[in-house]
Amino acid sequence: KNEVEQSPQNLTAQEGEFITINCSYSVGISALHWLQQHPGGGIVSLFMLSSGKKKHGRLIATINIQEKHSSLHITASHPRDSAVYICAVRLIWANSGGGADGLTFGKGTHLIIQP
Amino acid sequence: NAGVMQNPRHLVRRRGQEARLRCSPMKGHSHVYWYRQLPEEGLKFMVYLQKENIIDESGMPKERFSAEFPKEGPSILRIQQVVRGDSAAYFCASSPDRIYNEQFFGPGTRLTVL
Repeated sequence: KNEVEQSPQNLTAQEGEFITINCSYSVGISALHWLQQHPGGGIVSLFMLSSGKKKHGRLIATINIQEKHSSLHITASHPRDSAVYICAVRLIWANSGGGADGLTFGKGTHLIIQP
Repeated sequence: NAGVMQNPRHLVRRRGQEARLRCSPMKGHSHVYWYRQLPEEGLKFMVYLQKENIIDESGMPKERFSAEFPKEGPSILRIQQVVRGDSAAYFCASSPDRIYNEQFFGPGTRLTVL
């Protein structure tokens, strides 16, 4: 079982729809990241969270530490939001036994917003 | 403030050759992380370096792969005697410190082994 699970794997929606992407993790973490990757492109860091909620433009990220769950929301979605969204966690050092400084990634959610 | 720089962006090598991937962190960042993204797979941590030190290489293949981050100049990920299975996108990220650890990613190097 992967330490970081994302759902859905693929999501197609119409322009303007409200989008939710979910991330669950099974280990202790010190922070959770949401990343965006366009096809063949680089990786952009959207948010880093350790608690609560953050908002940037049309993007909102929330995290529930007790439930080990985070969500990324996109309001008023647009075709340019089409990308792969990746959840990544930084493991708490004591739990990890190595690789604590590097991130552990989910497999990503492929989002397509149709005009 | 320039972002994380990686070069080359695309690299083609024949089996058995060496590949050198370079990463210049953001200004003021002394912590570098290398990640690999194999085709149709997720990103995997490879190695974490600070200036002149390898801190965590738990994700590095045992053979043919090495990394360095000298006092001056970029961090280098070196792959000796490349094989087709090394074809992947290699990303580096940098952060200003170890504790807060917000990582900023470079554009990646796409390595193709013929």
